Amino acid sequence: TQLLEQSPQFLSIQEGENLTVYCNSSSVFSSLQWYRQEPGEGPVLLVTVVTGGEVKKLKRLTFQFGDARKDSSLHITAAQPGDTGLYLCAGDHAGKSTFGDGTTLTVKP
Amino acid sequence: DAGVIQSPRHEVTEMGQEVTLRCKPISGHNSLFWYRQTMMRGLELLIYFNNNVPIDDSGMPEDRFSAKMPNASFSTLKIQPSEPRDSAVYFCASSPQGAVGYTFGSGTRLTVV
Repeated sequence: TQLLEQSPQFLSIQEGENLTVYCNSSSVFSSLQWYRQEPGEGPVLLVTVVTGGEVKKLKRLTFQFGDARKDSSLHITAAQPGDTGLYLCAGDHAGKSTFGDGTTLTVKP
Repeated sequence: DAGVIQSPRHEVTEMGQEVTLRCKPISGHNSLFWYRQTMMRGLELLIYFNNNVPIDDSGMPEDRFSAKMPNASFSTLKIQPSEPRDSAVYFCASSPQGAVGYTFGSGTRLTVV
């Protein structure tokens, strides 16, 4: 079983602050995805990282894949209330994705 | 593009009843996945199909659960008989075959009383 551990489990910050959330595993993945899920909806894909050490930016969000392809981080700069949600990482192996338990982010105005 | 369409959005049923959840994947997506989400266990993969063929059903909890994909545009997940512990949000997701990253539907919130 390939497990993904996400930390912190909960994070509450003020608008304008920066934050980083983490996704760690002892397993190597062929790729890793980050999703954001809002209440009452399904997860929405934000990014896929494939290469060890890869860094991708999506506006104020920066995603990094670890060199060994076992871990990843998501950094948000100047968080906004619209960033509130459940952030899930998912590791892909053999054609299927295993999800972490997520980080619930609340950004207060 | 209407996205992945799931029905119903909410289902409340009594223990012992049969429940059928439905999913229409995005046209052209060859892979379809059924996930279950609970507070205790997070998102769990139940089963996935490639080109309408079940590839891995190792996540299906027990024989009470069954899934079918009779054609490329429709899949069902059936629970018979349902039990209170089956209460969860069930998601369907699809992707082009070989692609990484899925498009999820809005889910079906199932409550078994």
